[in-house]
Amino acid sequence: DGGITQSPKYLFRKEGQNVTLSCEQNLNHDAMYWYRQDPGQGLRLIYYSQIVNDFQKGDIAEGYSVSREKKESFPLTVTSAQKNPTAFYLCASKRTVGYGYTFGSGTRLTVV
Amino acid sequence: DQQVKQNSPSLSVQEGRISILNCDYTNSMFDYFLWYKKYPAEGPTFLISISSIKDKNEDGRFTVFLNKSAKHLSLHIVPSQPGDSAVYFCAAFQGAQKLVFGQGTRLTINP
Repeated sequence: DGGITQSPKYLFRKEGQNVTLSCEQNLNHDAMYWYRQDPGQGLRLIYYSQIVNDFQKGDIAEGYSVSREKKESFPLTVTSAQKNPTAFYLCASKRTVGYGYTFGSGTRLTVV
Repeated sequence: DQQVKQNSPSLSVQEGRISILNCDYTNSMFDYFLWYKKYPAEGPTFLISISSIKDKNEDGRFTVFLNKSAKHLSLHIVPSQPGDSAVYFCAAFQGAQKLVFGQGTRLTINP
């Protein structure tokens, strides 16, 4: 079955460490997205990529970095510059044409 | 600047009655709107959508209404069922590029 896989489900890191969240899709979608969910703030866009080797900043890109070396993969690195990294992170993908997003099941990152 | 707003953080409805979730937006360039349902620690799942050229779309128990002049949309669920208890997100597209989400409304269906 096609879908998006985010791993791990739960992640703990010490303050000051960089951490990379994995996102893989086998839907052959061109576009991929990273969102962050905080209580009472909905989903906010961090980065998105519409094609391999290209990506754009979203609304809250500071302290994050991404790469898109393969169509199937869009990893997100949370750097030590991100002031409040503890959150629920969601990856999504979409075909170039149309409006349907497919979401992964998310990664809960806790920084202690 | 919150372009999509859901002003009710929570809503409680009795089983079998109608649930009405509301959403307002500020960007007149939004051309497609969606509603997602989300359970804790899971990704959102798509519920129903509507194009800006329509004012109503219906799918089973779910109906979405769009009032472009008021920049307002609503999701009606009737009859409400216990399994409908979740957080509902309104979202909007501009040019099929990226989705902008509202803050979400937690719906609780009481037996």
